[in-house]
Amino acid sequence: DAKTTQPNSMESNEEEPVHLPCNHSTISGTDYIHWYRQLPSQGPEYVIHGLTSNVNNRMASLAIAEDRKSSTLILHRATLRDAAVYYCILVWGGSEKLVFGKGMKLTVNP
Amino acid sequence: GAVVSQHPSRVICKSGTSVKIECRSLDFQATTMFWYRQFPKKSLMLMATSNEGSKATYEQGVEKDKFLINHASLTLSTLTVTSAHPEDSSFYICSAQVGVPKPQETQYFGPGTRLLVL
Repeated sequence: DAKTTQPNSMESNEEEPVHLPCNHSTISGTDYIHWYRQLPSQGPEYVIHGLTSNVNNRMASLAIAEDRKSSTLILHRATLRDAAVYYCILVWGGSEKLVFGKGMKLTVNP
Repeated sequence: GAVVSQHPSRVICKSGTSVKIECRSLDFQATTMFWYRQFPKKSLMLMATSNEGSKATYEQGVEKDKFLINHASLTLSTLTVTSAHPEDSSFYICSAQVGVPKPQETQYFGPGTRLLVL
């Protein structure tokens, strides 16, 4: 499985935008970029995913570099509820499996 | 959105007993469900892929005779931890996709089951 690299942790302030980076330099042409997040003692929650183009939904935006070797999850206005571990995951086009890495812990300060 | 439930949410058992965990897709059908295990402060580890009406596919290193998976219908998969030992204590999480699984589809996760083996 192609690997992703994320910072171990980030801090942000409430109501400010947050940019969460993810590097995936070995991504292949059929890999989808998925983001999930996990609050403490809960199952993960889907955030967003994309293939080549930038994506927006009600939770976040996903900006994908032109060469697809990196992507950025954008939370437009962080809230305390956004404090979680965020996972950037590549899903190979020939599989539906999610292989979770270490993820990145986001702390949101009031 | 699609909802996945798990039962029980928490279970404590004695060493040597078996424990069954249920995973249900409440408002959609799922031909495939996934089972994960998560130890404290660690990431999720995929244990097996559960396919409706056929045998589960286990990841390398996961004992299929210890972790029995049954996917009897399009809305229910069960994980049975047989002869549980303290080292099996963990957070067990299931997930499912709507319809036939595809890499571009969302996985919906259950809330998890915390197992403590004494």
